[in-house]
Amino acid sequence: DTGVSQDPRHKITKRGQNVTFRCDPISEHNRLYWYRQTLGQGPEFLTYFQNEAQLEKSRLLSDRFSAERPKGSFSTLEIQRTEQGDSAMYLCASSLPRTQETQYFGPGTRLLVL
Amino acid sequence: QKEVEQNSGPLSVPEGAIASLNCTYSDRGSQSFFWYRQYSGKSPELIMFIYSNGDKEDGRFTAQLNKASQYVSLLIRDSQPSDSATYLCAVNGGYNKLIFGAGTRLAVHP
Repeated sequence: DTGVSQDPRHKITKRGQNVTFRCDPISEHNRLYWYRQTLGQGPEFLTYFQNEAQLEKSRLLSDRFSAERPKGSFSTLEIQRTEQGDSAMYLCASSLPRTQETQYFGPGTRLLVL
Repeated sequence: QKEVEQNSGPLSVPEGAIASLNCTYSDRGSQSFFWYRQYSGKSPELIMFIYSNGDKEDGRFTAQLNKASQYVSLLIRDSQPSDSATYLCAVNGGYNKLIFGAGTRLAVHP
């Protein structure tokens, strides 16, 4: 257990529904990242927060995806109008503000869109 | 497009042998490199990081970095069946994001 928690751990939804995932980083970590991982692939970067500021978004993050970190602590990732191609493991990671990043991952949320 | 390449495997080694996992990366400006272990259905777990050319040892694990050849490797000595997992190589891709390879599946057989 790295100290990063994610909720829910599993989510099954129907195509077209909205889903929201939550990530609680390690308490002293002010940097938070979201990644997506599909079967047989490494995690792909989605977005990054430093405190409450969203500083980078991948082009993988379509308009249906939105992430927030309102108070610089926990973060949420929402997917609107889910598609079957959104089925993946959504991973959250956090790190301290050092030049060389060492990111610790949470357990992930596995999403299945039917 | 910054890329990280790994042989998908599976790499099969007998128990007690040395497992050698390799990774190449495309961005010559990359500064930090990471190895994660991922068991099936679980999230990546950090094993080691390396920033400088040469070797870095931690217990049974040794990371090797050659920036001139853009090559990172992970050696696992005295491999155990519990080491059977997918090993992900990751490179800091700038702006604090990690770029991962697809991973190498390691199978250690008794």
